[in-house]
Amino acid sequence: DGGITQSPKYLFRKEGQNVTLSCEQNLNHDAMYWYRQDPGQGLRLIYYSQIVNDFQKGDIAEGYSVSREKKESFPLTVTSAQKNPTAFYLCASSPLGGHRTSSYNSPLHFGNGTRLTVT
Amino acid sequence: KQEVTQIPAALSVPEGENLVLNCSFTDSAIYNLQWFRQDPGKGLTSLLLIQSSQREQTSGRLNASLDKSSGRSTLYIAASQPGDSATYLCLFWGANSKLTFGKGITLSVRP
Repeated sequence: DGGITQSPKYLFRKEGQNVTLSCEQNLNHDAMYWYRQDPGQGLRLIYYSQIVNDFQKGDIAEGYSVSREKKESFPLTVTSAQKNPTAFYLCASSPLGGHRTSSYNSPLHFGNGTRLTVT
Repeated sequence: KQEVTQIPAALSVPEGENLVLNCSFTDSAIYNLQWFRQDPGKGLTSLLLIQSSQREQTSGRLNASLDKSSGRSTLYIAASQPGDSATYLCLFWGANSKLTFGKGITLSVRP
């Protein structure tokens, strides 16, 4: 079955350490996204990528970095510069290129998320 | 700035009740409106996608409608069951604007 795999499901880190969250998709989707979800705040976009070797900042990119070396993979690194990293992180993909495209007809697909706790 | 509002934030109903979840948006230049379900600690599962040229979509006991003129989408759940308990989010796909999520409505269906 095609889908999006996020690993690990739970991640614990000490403050000051960088940590990388994995996101892999076998849906052959062009676009991939990282969202952060906090209680009462909904989903906020961190980064998105339309094609390999290209990515764009979302609303809350500070303290995060990404790479898109392969179409299937879009890892997110939470750096020590992120002031409040404890959250639920969701990866998504879409067959369309672009978070701001004008021709949507396909839905977003989500992974099951990674819950990061930094102490 | 596009705003997507889902009120109330939480809802509790007895099993068997028909219910309507609302999603309001401020920008009329909409391309799609998508409804998701999220179970605790899980990702989002797409339920229905309504394109701007459509007025509604149906899947089983779920029916979603879109009224662009009033800036509203509704998700109708017929004969609710305890298994319907989850958070329901709507996603606004706008023209030349980013995707905007509502904050969700947490539904509890009591047996």
